[in-house]
Amino acid sequence: AQTVTQSQPEMSVQEAETVTLSCTYDTSESDYYLFWYKQPPSRQMILVIRQEAYKQQNATENRFSVNFQKAAKSFSLKISDSQLGDAAMYFCAYKTGTASKLTFGTGTRLQVTL
Amino acid sequence: EPEVTQTPSHQVTQMGQEVILRCVPISNHLYFYWYRQILGQKVEFLVSFYNNEISEKSEIFDDQFSVERPDGSNFTLKIRSTKLEDSAMYFCASSEGTGTGRAIGQFFGPGTRLTVL
Repeated sequence: AQTVTQSQPEMSVQEAETVTLSCTYDTSESDYYLFWYKQPPSRQMILVIRQEAYKQQNATENRFSVNFQKAAKSFSLKISDSQLGDAAMYFCAYKTGTASKLTFGTGTRLQVTL
Repeated sequence: EPEVTQTPSHQVTQMGQEVILRCVPISNHLYFYWYRQILGQKVEFLVSFYNNEISEKSEIFDDQFSVERPDGSNFTLKIRSTKLEDSAMYFCASSEGTGTGRAIGQFFGPGTRLTVL
């Protein structure tokens, strides 16, 4: 069974600084997709960024980028120029190419301080 | 920007009662999902739905649960006889596809908080 592990329950970053959230996953599949979702206090789940496993190039969406290390099964999220609005729970998620379900990690709570 | 909507935002019910949670997926999306999140825990997959039938379900999705697309816009989750442990946030999601490129992104609604007393 596929598992997703987020080893950092909480992280803190100062406004305007850069922070990296870690995620590792376990799979025997070759075709899969990885995602980061943000959950602010409103509990809405917001898709931040996605990565196809067959792509070597790391995905980037504005201030958000990933470091995808396929051999190490690692998928970290880097947030640059952190803003107060980035404070939220961040969930890493995995999906195989054939299945429809997302498997989520346990989340990392990010605090942004002045 | 199109978004997934869910009603109600909060539902309180007595144990043993039936509840129906409603969702309106993004209009050009073909795949629909329900997930739940017990307070303080991770998000768990319940079921996916495509072409008017269930395409995948988890072990959580037992006979007490059912899904339906009663018309061209709504997607519902019914819990027949609620239990205390059904208390959770229930998220509906939709996607254009499941296999290639940007179409695989699942977009979530704001959730329905279900409280079973």
